[in-house]
Amino acid sequence: NAGVTQTPKFQVLKTGQSMTLQCAQDMNHEYMSWYRQDPGMGLRLIHYSVGAGITDQGEVPNGYNVSRSTTEDFPLRLLSAAPSQTSVYFCASRGARGVDTQYFGPGTRLTVL
Amino acid sequence: AQSVTQLGSHVSVSEGALVLLRCNYSSSVPPYLFWYVQYPNQGLQLLLKYTSAATLVKGINGFEAEFKKSETSFHLTKPSAHMSDAAEYFCAVTSGGSYIPTFGRGTSLIVHP
Repeated sequence: NAGVTQTPKFQVLKTGQSMTLQCAQDMNHEYMSWYRQDPGMGLRLIHYSVGAGITDQGEVPNGYNVSRSTTEDFPLRLLSAAPSQTSVYFCASRGARGVDTQYFGPGTRLTVL
Repeated sequence: AQSVTQLGSHVSVSEGALVLLRCNYSSSVPPYLFWYVQYPNQGLQLLLKYTSAATLVKGINGFEAEFKKSETSFHLTKPSAHMSDAAEYFCAVTSGGSYIPTFGRGTSLIVHP
């Protein structure tokens, strides 16, 4: 199993550009999430999904869109990048039970100039 | 509702000394509790988790944590710190009906030679 994979590992954007961060998992997990990690802020939840076709907002959803057309994939779209979106982004997946472990991807380091 | 508080954003110990990272939780129903570790430039990975089977939980790399319901705590300990333990540690909680874990802000463990 590859687990949770993310592409790209690094990305530099200019203000106003759009892009999609890719996330895929091969563990047949129902739940998937996107977090951003900033110094001193811990992990902040952006969006999450509890199954194909079902998404919801987390703590900091503004400026981001998601969709979940398959169980495996959960892309994160930046609509019009801003310097405040410079961060490290993590995708995660887990099963549906409260006891299930959350598995994280390796992260995407995004810089917006 | 569920929440997690990690006391101390940074903990500094000498190599060979006891490691104690503090986590207190709030949950209206019996919780599942997790400790994750993040090494530099990597995603998070599971250290250990409490599933109600035993209050003292042993994890990887010599870490363990004890669930204390009366104190609503799940502190992480290791008898003897190693340089390789230097990392960011996150406590997380899920409880019945919650889809996504709630994470603490993280504690950075610094190990001095």
